[in-house]
Amino acid sequence: DGGITQSPKYLFRKEGQNVTLSCEQNLNHDAMYWYRQDPGQGLRLIYYSQIVNDFQKGDIAEGYSVSREKKESFPLTVTSAQKNPTAFYLCASRADKYSNQPQHFGDGTRLSIL
Amino acid sequence: GEDVEQSLFLSVREGDSSVINCTYTDSSSTYLYWYKQEPGAGLQLLTYIFSNMDMKQDQRLTVLLNKKDKHLSLRIADTQTGDSAIYFCAEMRSNYQLIWGAGTKLIIKP
Repeated sequence: DGGITQSPKYLFRKEGQNVTLSCEQNLNHDAMYWYRQDPGQGLRLIYYSQIVNDFQKGDIAEGYSVSREKKESFPLTVTSAQKNPTAFYLCASRADKYSNQPQHFGDGTRLSIL
Repeated sequence: GEDVEQSLFLSVREGDSSVINCTYTDSSSTYLYWYKQEPGAGLQLLTYIFSNMDMKQDQRLTVLLNKKDKHLSLRIADTQTGDSAIYFCAEMRSNYQLIWGAGTKLIIKP
């Protein structure tokens, strides 16, 4: 089955620590996205990538970093500079950025502070 | 304004119809989407409508689009307990940017 796999499902971060959230897709999609979801709020875009080795900041990129070394993979690192990282993180992909095809989502990673 | 707006909560009785409303912002938006999110899960695409359509029906789901008022609605017929979730509306703007509403939590009363 084609889809998006996020891991881990739950993650805990200690003060001053960087943590990396994994996102893998086998849909052969060019575009991939990371969103942050807080209770009672919509999705806020952190970073997106249209193609391998290229990515752009979204609306709330501060304190986060990404890489796109392979088409299938778009990991997100939450750095110690992100002072309020507790949230639900969602990865999505789409055929390409200029497509009207809908975004497909993974099941999310819930990040909490220890 | 810049935001896609939705009410935060909707409560309906099991078996009744649910109507979830959304107001979007860009009259040149091309596609409008409805997603469903169950607790602790990702977003699942329910349906989407192209901006030159007025209505789209898919089994128990009916989407209505009023372009003049930039208003989108999702009607769920014969609402069941499995429909309990958060429903997100999103608009695809002409620059391919996707703008999300804050989500409407659908609560089903027995």
